[in-house]
Amino acid sequence: GAVVSQHPSWVICKSGTSVKIECRSLDFQATTMFWYRQFPKQSLMLMATSNEGSKATYEQGVEKDKFLINHASLTLSTLTVTSAHPEDSSFYICSARDFLGGIDEQYFGPGTRLTVT
Amino acid sequence: GENVEQHPSTLSVQEGDSAVIKCTYSDSASNYFPWYKQELGKRPQLIIDIRSNVGEKKDQRIAVTLNKTAKHFSLHITETQPEDSAVYFCAAPGNTGNQFYFGTGTSLTVIP
Repeated sequence: GAVVSQHPSWVICKSGTSVKIECRSLDFQATTMFWYRQFPKQSLMLMATSNEGSKATYEQGVEKDKFLINHASLTLSTLTVTSAHPEDSSFYICSARDFLGGIDEQYFGPGTRLTVT
Repeated sequence: GENVEQHPSTLSVQEGDSAVIKCTYSDSASNYFPWYKQELGKRPQLIIDIRSNVGEKKDQRIAVTLNKTAKHFSLHITETQPEDSAVYFCAAPGNTGNQFYFGTGTSLTVIP
């Protein structure tokens, strides 16, 4: 099956700094990727849809200037958490769909656990 | 976006019994409904999915039923085993058909 990787798997940063998380599709081209945030014992909340070569589409309530998304190639999307604060500590998961392959299934990365101190 | 509701939030069953989790969705145009299993600290894993042109799909001990008229779909796990213990999420597509919105999750515990 298709593989999506994510890096780093975990990161600890100080309040006020920025953190970049990478999401890669390893064996297929992903014109669209998705970023989710998951707090402990809660569901996955869709943050934004990342579109290759164009601006991301953010869900209502998600600050686009705080969560910068760049999808510069067909296999890579990045999420940058700017000026991180402790309340941004969460599990961030990306996913991708193989639209070119006509497949409905969504493939998830392993997630990045962000802790802001 | 799509409004997906999931019940129950927690479910405990004896090993060997069946478990049923139900989800409702709001967008009548939705046509693909996956179910995911997530273990602590790991990524969601697709366990079964169904398209809107069928009413039921089965894969060994797992089945999913879909009622498009009522806009709900259910996950059925039979002969439950302790390794089935996890959090289960349903999902439904948004109005563009690209993104997915997840239910609130069901924490299933199978008691040996």
